Amino acid sequence: ETGVTQTPRHLVMGMTNKKSLKCEQHLGHNAMYWYKQSAKKPLELMFVYSLEERVENNSVPSRFSPECPNSSHLFLHLHTLQPEDSALYLCASSQEIGRANEQFFGPGTRLTVL
Amino acid sequence: GQQLNQSPQSMFIQEGEDVSMNCTSSSIFNTWLWYKQEPGEGPVLLIALYKAGELTSNGRLTAQFGITRKDSFLNISASIPSDVGIYFCAGQLSPSNTGKLIFGQGTTLQVKP
Repeated sequence: ETGVTQTPRHLVMGMTNKKSLKCEQHLGHNAMYWYKQSAKKPLELMFVYSLEERVENNSVPSRFSPECPNSSHLFLHLHTLQPEDSALYLCASSQEIGRANEQFFGPGTRLTVL
Repeated sequence: GQQLNQSPQSMFIQEGEDVSMNCTSSSIFNTWLWYKQEPGEGPVLLIALYKAGELTSNGRLTAQFGITRKDSFLNISASIPSDVGIYFCAGQLSPSNTGKLIFGQGTTLQVKP
């Protein structure tokens, strides 16, 4: 238990569906992250939020839309996804963004797009 | 873009053996982190390194921040079946206002009892 929870753990959706992934951290951290993990590839950083402000958008398609309503919660809204978007989506948090960047990960949401 | 080369890609060893894996880059890093990921879970932080030459242990795990700041290694001594998983290195290029970590491709470890 890392103090970062994600729901749902598994999600199957069609290409025309709209769904949302949720992440919550109970660590009092100020920074939160979304990563995509595909088979045989390094983790890909998607978005970074610091104190609820987006500080990085790593060339992610607009069909992925993040939302950070407060420093404990992070959402990833999904719409009109493609089958190649199927992957494990990981949320992480850290005390701050900076040198001592120890990021703690949630268990991930396994997304399958049909 | 920046890349970390992690090797080996996979290892299949006998219980009790020692394990060594490493990450190298053409870029200089200020922070090295080592994570372990088990099936169905997210990566869990094992060791964090902040200074060139730093050697840090966590139980049977030992990791070092290379003197050149371009590499790091992780050793596991006397492996046990629960060491099975994927081990990732991650580095931060500089004190960053975006918190970006660069991840290696992972080393898959299997331990035969």
